[in-house]
Amino acid sequence: KNQVEQSPQSLIILEGKNCTLQCNYTVSPFSNLRWYKQDTGRGPVSLTIMTFSENTKSNGRYTATLDADTKQSSLHITASQLSDSASYICVVSAGGGSYIPTFGRGTSLIVHP
Amino acid sequence: GAGVSQSPSNKVTEKGKDVELRCDPISGHTALYWYRQSLGQGLEFLIYFQGNSAPDKSGLPSDRFSAERTGGSVSTLTIQRTQQEDSAVYLCASSPPGQVGHEQFFGPGTRLTVL
Repeated sequence: KNQVEQSPQSLIILEGKNCTLQCNYTVSPFSNLRWYKQDTGRGPVSLTIMTFSENTKSNGRYTATLDADTKQSSLHITASQLSDSASYICVVSAGGGSYIPTFGRGTSLIVHP
Repeated sequence: GAGVSQSPSNKVTEKGKDVELRCDPISGHTALYWYRQSLGQGLEFLIYFQGNSAPDKSGLPSDRFSAERTGGSVSTLTIQRTQQEDSAVYLCASSPPGQVGHEQFFGPGTRLTVL
């Protein structure tokens, strides 16, 4: 069964600090992995996408890494801002004709001033 | 251009009533998904539409749930005889035509509360 596990479930950090969110998956065959940011009361918005051959992708202060061998990904946030407070969702798409991605439960990040 | 829109943004209903939730996808997007997000839970897939193909209804939790997509654009999710456990945020997403794994563009969701 395809699964995506994220950790930690929640995280509280001070503004300006860095943090790293983890994602482990068992989706096979692997097609791509996305990190989404979901602000409270809004729909998720894609931050990064990574395919099998990519092991790092940056989007401003967000840097995602992928280890396809160990089936792990991380999202690193640098110099956090109050606006980074949100839920971060790891989403893995399978190949082989599957069109329904597998969603993690998300990590809730709170950035305090 | 305009993103995915959903209406209503909030819906409060009484147990046993029927509700209809609407989704307007981004123009030109052939794929449309409905998800349910309960408090503290991940997104639960409900149904998938792709062009004129038969929808994938494998995620619908019961026969009280149904959805249709008219003219390959607007979609309506209907929940009949609502139950308290149906309370959740219902999210709609659309994707452009092409290969699997395209970015999904989400609407703001409809928060359904069943009293």
